[in-house]
Amino acid sequence: AQSVTQLGSHVSVSEGALVLLRCNYSSSVPPYLFWYVQYPNQGLQLLLKYTTGATLVKGINGFEAEFKKSETSFHLTKPSAHMSDAAEYFCAVTPGGSNYKLTFGKGTLLTVNP
Amino acid sequence: DGGITQSPKYLFRKEGQNVTLSCEQNLNHDAMYWYRQDPGQGLRLIYYSQIVNDFQKGDIAEGYSVSREKKESFPLTVTSAQKNPTAFYLCATNQGTANYGYTFGSGTRLTVV
Repeated sequence: AQSVTQLGSHVSVSEGALVLLRCNYSSSVPPYLFWYVQYPNQGLQLLLKYTTGATLVKGINGFEAEFKKSETSFHLTKPSAHMSDAAEYFCAVTPGGSNYKLTFGKGTLLTVNP
Repeated sequence: DGGITQSPKYLFRKEGQNVTLSCEQNLNHDAMYWYRQDPGQGLRLIYYSQIVNDFQKGDIAEGYSVSREKKESFPLTVTSAQKNPTAFYLCATNQGTANYGYTFGSGTRLTVV
């Protein structure tokens, strides 16, 4: 079975500071990993994903994440936070193959202070 | 444009009433999902369907029912047996491959009054 742990339910940064949102997973097989963003009262939007190949993945809005198998991690980063980045972020995992049901973490609420 | 339509956006229900949330997609995706979202609890899977006329219970199916009579539609009924139905409900689809992830609708906020 898969599971996802997002460390920190709430992260607060200053505008222009580094954003680091942590995600650790457990999976019995090589996983596919995803980050989603949710703005208030909206659905989730895909930020980026890792399936195979390059372990550093770039997504929309300047975000990127690195798959580290040895650490079972898929942390999300952005060099310089913008006010518009304030949202909730969800990490998700699926084992791939014929099983494509996603398991989500509990989310991290990002606050950006002026 | 292809997408997922959830309606209504806001819904109010009196205690003891059943209510149905709509989810329609024109993406031609096989799989559809219903999630419930409460503050601090992330997304919890209610029901999912991978093909027409077939669906499976998720982690919190009690008090909910679904149908999948058409590929495009996956309505969710919140019954009076659901003791705490106030929440944000999200519908999602998947085209049937693991590397695709999900596409989400914009959600329905249900409030019991």
